[in-house]
Amino acid sequence: EIVLTQSPGTLSLSPGERATLSCRASQSVSNNYLAWYQQKPGQAPRLLIYGASSRATGIPDRFSGSGSGTDFTLTISRLEPEDFAVYYCQQYGSSPRTFGQGTKVEIK
Amino acid sequence: QITLKESGPTLVKPTQTLTLTCTFSGFSLSTSGVNVGWIRQPPGKALEWLAFICWDNDTRYSPSLKSRLTITKDTSKNQVVLTMTNMDPVDTATYYCTRAGSGLPNDYWGQGTLVTVSS
Repeated sequence: EIVLTQSPGTLSLSPGERATLSCRASQSVSNNYLAWYQQKPGQAPRLLIYGASSRATGIPDRFSGSGSGTDFTLTISRLEPEDFAVYYCQQYGSSPRTFGQGTKVEIK
Repeated sequence: QITLKESGPTLVKPTQTLTLTCTFSGFSLSTSGVNVGWIRQPPGKALEWLAFICWDNDTRYSPSLKSRLTITKDTSKNQVVLTMTNMDPVDTATYYCTRAGSGLPNDYWGQGTLVTVSS
């Protein structure tokens, strides 16, 4: 089972700032099948990024993903008020399709 | 338009069996490469992947819960059913039904259903 470790646990930033979230895997993620999801309170998660760097349909280009193998990054270039949420990474290259523990991006 | 919706009890007693149904539309589970699965989230905690069933009836389970889970599908009804035996208060969570696929992430999610385990 691949363990995903996200850091930091909480990121305190102001609107307009750049957010950099990390996801590290305990072993190489097959085919770089790494996804990022955004979750707001009371809502289901929403797919942002798949295949480590491809944006899902309708996702603004301020969201970008990068990385390969065991180290992945989600970058939000300029935080908008609606971007303050919890972000999860997930690997779907092997079963079980594990999630990280999440990073909360909060308003400073 | 793709939608998924979970249904089932909101309250179960410890040791009981939970049965959740996912009813979906806008796609077919007989399409090659498609799967439908379940993910849960205890209150205030992280997402936990549980299981999925594939278009060809292949199934995968979380190793830690495999002995308690069964996932089945009824393609004609566009439904997927998850059963979890021997429920415990630690199983209290919102349970989500999602669509994914071979080499594809969870792109569509249901709204989730909160299941509370309490006597």
